Parts: sequence; C-alpha cells; structure tokens
Amino acid sequence: DQQVKQNSPSLSVQEGRISILNCDYTNSMFDYFLWYKKYPAEGPTFLISISSIKDKNEDGRFTVFLNKSAKHLSLHIVPSQPGDSAVYFCAASPSGTYKYIFGTGTRLKVLA
Amino acid sequence: DTAVSQTPKYLVTQMGNDKSIKCEQNLGHDTMYWYKQDSKKFLKIMFSYNNKELIINETVPNRFSPKSPDKAHLNLHINSLELGDSAVYFCASSQGAPNTQYFGPGTRLTVL
Repeated sequence: DQQVKQNSPSLSVQEGRISILNCDYTNSMFDYFLWYKKYPAEGPTFLISISSIKDKNEDGRFTVFLNKSAKHLSLHIVPSQPGDSAVYFCAASPSGTYKYIFGTGTRLKVLA
Repeated sequence: DTAVSQTPKYLVTQMGNDKSIKCEQNLGHDTMYWYKQDSKKFLKIMFSYNNKELIINETVPNRFSPKSPDKAHLNLHINSLELGDSAVYFCASSQGAPNTQYFGPGTRLTVL
C-alpha cells in the first residue's frame, strides 16, 4: 500500500522554464512534508519542507505548495537549471512520529 | 567535513555470511535512521533510534540488528545474508522529528 505516490516517473524541462513535480498522499495523519533531491551514487539531499499548517513555503528557486483537501503537494523550480537534473523524492511524516514515508521519485532532466 | 558518513561504500559478499555497516553523524543530532532502497528505487525506513533507544522497527527480519553505542553512531549488522538483501542502505539523522533528515552517501550491498 503506497501511501505517498509520485505518478510521474520522469519529466523533461527546458533550461530557464518552470519544473513542476507532483506528489499525492493518502494518509490524512501526515502533517509534515519534505522534498529531497538525489544524484546517482549519493544520498538524498534535503531541499525544502512544509508543515500542514501552511499551504506554501518558498526558498530561493524552490517553492512547495500543499493542498490538504486534495492530499496533494507540488514542488516548483523556477528557473530550472541543468544542475537540477536529478531524482526528486517527496516524503511525508505522520503526526507525532519519527516515521517518514517516501514516494518512488521523479527523474527530472533539465535540457540546456 | 562529512555530516553523515557510512562505511563501507560497497560491500560484496556470499549468501549466508554476516556483515556490518557503520554510520556516524557529526551534526549533534539525537535521532538516527536506517533506510533500504531496493531495485525499484523505493526508499523504505527500517529502523529509527532516538537518544540510543529503538523507536521504529518496520517489520524488518530479525536477521537485521541495529546497534547504537552512542547518539552519534548507528550500526547495522546483518546475519545470514540472503539474495534479497541486495540493495543500497542509507543512514540518516535528524534533530527530533518530524524534522529535516540528513542522509549518508549509502552502502551498496550485493549478495551473491
């Protein structure tokens, strides 16, 4: 039972344009969400997070949007750069736990 | 200065052997984790320790035994290795939870 889903396994975007990565979840107990970036042969690197009390969080070129009613979050990268090419994972944590559930990842390719 | 380090980076061994993977974090965090990334790239939590105490054990076979000698270290010992144990194992740490997790570079285990 996959509680966190990233339905697009891959995405290609032109350099300078917006990249939008999507994530859906099923468990209404999730109240903290994170996005990670992963390069080959490296561990995931934290990008940005959002608590369920917010609907938007911004950090430089990265913005995460949370739609609790739709159980959906998205990561926007503007403008996209070739160095952003990586696999992006969303993760969710249920309230009051040390547990993190990861999605299966979306491979982003930014074309120069 | 590496925040979360793992050794070894690669481990190739025969079925039935016993092996250990070591993890150290120098971030002063109180919580450490082990994750398994299988061939489908699905990142799944195995264990979580908070202040050296086991708080999450996600239906992992008891051939896997984590040990936390202090808050900065979380080692993973695997007995009687099986083919299905082949995967990349990631260590991570955080200060409390939910909070940002910092990942190590991973250990690729191959069981022949």
